[in-house]
Amino acid sequence: DGGITQSPKYLFRKEGQNVTLSCEQNLNHDAMYWYRQDPGQGLRLIYYSQIVNDFQKGDIAEGYSVSREKKESFPLTVTSAQKNPTAFYLCASSPRTGSDEKLFFGSGTQLSVL
Amino acid sequence: KQEVTQIPAALSVPEGENLVLNCSFTDSAIYNLQWFRQDPGKGLTSLLLIQSSQREQTSGRLNASLDKSSGRSTLYIAASQPGDSATYLCAVDNQAGTALIFGKGTTLSVSS
Repeated sequence: DGGITQSPKYLFRKEGQNVTLSCEQNLNHDAMYWYRQDPGQGLRLIYYSQIVNDFQKGDIAEGYSVSREKKESFPLTVTSAQKNPTAFYLCASSPRTGSDEKLFFGSGTQLSVL
Repeated sequence: KQEVTQIPAALSVPEGENLVLNCSFTDSAIYNLQWFRQDPGKGLTSLLLIQSSQREQTSGRLNASLDKSSGRSTLYIAASQPGDSATYLCAVDNQAGTALIFGKGTTLSVSS
C-alpha cells in the first residue's frame, strides 16, 4: 500500500536529549513537510522540502533540524534547544509544492517530555 | 501574513441534521483551499480541494464552496451521521513553492 509512515507513534524525551522522528513515504512525492500540532490548535509548519538535498524553514523552525538525503525520507530531529517539545508531530507529502494536489499525512508521533 | 480562522470551534448536532462549517482567510490571493478531517490522535485525511478558479467541490454528502473575493469557504455536510464526528480543518495554499496554512479546526460531534 502507498502511504506515509511515521515512527515511533509515541516518544519520550529526557532533559537535554536530542530525539529523531522518522517519516518515510512510498508515494514518489517530491515535497515533504513537518507540522507541529498542540491541543486545540491548528497545524504549524516546522520545515518543508521541495526536493532532495533541499529544505526550507517554516514558521517555528527554532530548536528543530531536518535532512533530506533520500526522496523517500524526511527525518525530524528535536534538539535540546527546543524548550517546549511536547506536541503531536505530523509529517506530510505532496507531488510538489504549489500544486493543485491533495496533501497526504502520516499518522503522527506524540512526543512527551519525561 | 495569511491567517485562517474557523468558526465555530466546536459544534454538536443530532444525527440527520445538515450543517455548515465556516473558514475565512485574510489574503484572497490563494492558490487553492483544502478541507481535512482529523480523528483523535490520528493524522489528517484530505476531503476536498478547491482550486482558486473553482467555486465548489462535492464528494458524497460533502460540499465545499469557495468565495475567494470575500475570503470565505464553507463545508456543508448533509444528513450528518455519528461517524462524521471528528475535527475538520481548512487550509490555504497562498503561494506556489510554500506549504499550506491551517486554521485551528472545528470539532464536530454528531449524536445518535
